[in-house]
Amino acid sequence: IAGITQAPTSQILAAGRRMTLRCTQDMRHNAMYWYRQDLGLGLRLIHYSNTAGTTGKGEVPDGYSVSRANTDDFPLTLASAVPSQTSVYFCASSALAGGGVTDTQYFGPGTRLTVL
Amino acid sequence: QKEVEQNSGPLSVPEGAIASLNCTYSDRGSQSFFWYRQYSGKSPELIMSIYSNGDKEDGRFTAQLNKASQYVSLLIRDSQPSDSATYLCAVKKEGSQGNLIFGKGTKLSVKP
Repeated sequence: IAGITQAPTSQILAAGRRMTLRCTQDMRHNAMYWYRQDLGLGLRLIHYSNTAGTTGKGEVPDGYSVSRANTDDFPLTLASAVPSQTSVYFCASSALAGGGVTDTQYFGPGTRLTVL
Repeated sequence: QKEVEQNSGPLSVPEGAIASLNCTYSDRGSQSFFWYRQYSGKSPELIMSIYSNGDKEDGRFTAQLNKASQYVSLLIRDSQPSDSATYLCAVKKEGSQGNLIFGKGTKLSVKP
């Protein structure tokens, strides 16, 4: 069981280009999340999905979009990348839709994105 | 006031000592509390969760929760150099769709 996989591992991207970060989980978790992690700012939620077909905005959603066509996949798209989107991006998942007291998030290995 | 606050460190302890990591949170409706460990260049890894006031022990790790004072702590007994990492405190607020609020993390260094 792989858990959560993310692709690519790292990417250098020219500003203005479109980029999709991929996230796949094989745990049949209902909820999935995208975070970005920046030095001095910690982990911040970009978008989330409580179940296939639904998505929601997190703390820093501007410039990003997501879709959740099925349970396993939760891609994050940067329509027109800007240098401020340089960050490490983590995908996470949890079992329960909408969370519960004991619901726990598990993280993928991350994608390091540099926008020049 | 920030929603989840941690001392950024670095916290340096000698091998074999007890490391004490602290976290305070602002929302009294918070229900669930998590400690993640993150090695440099790696993803966060869950090490402890706690939901009720008091202590919860798991091996060398003890999480302590005091909802009245709005703090949660993590004690690491018999600290090892392999415990050197950044420790992230995360809090789940009531009615937050299950979303976590993370502190910025405390960097722990265990010296041999």
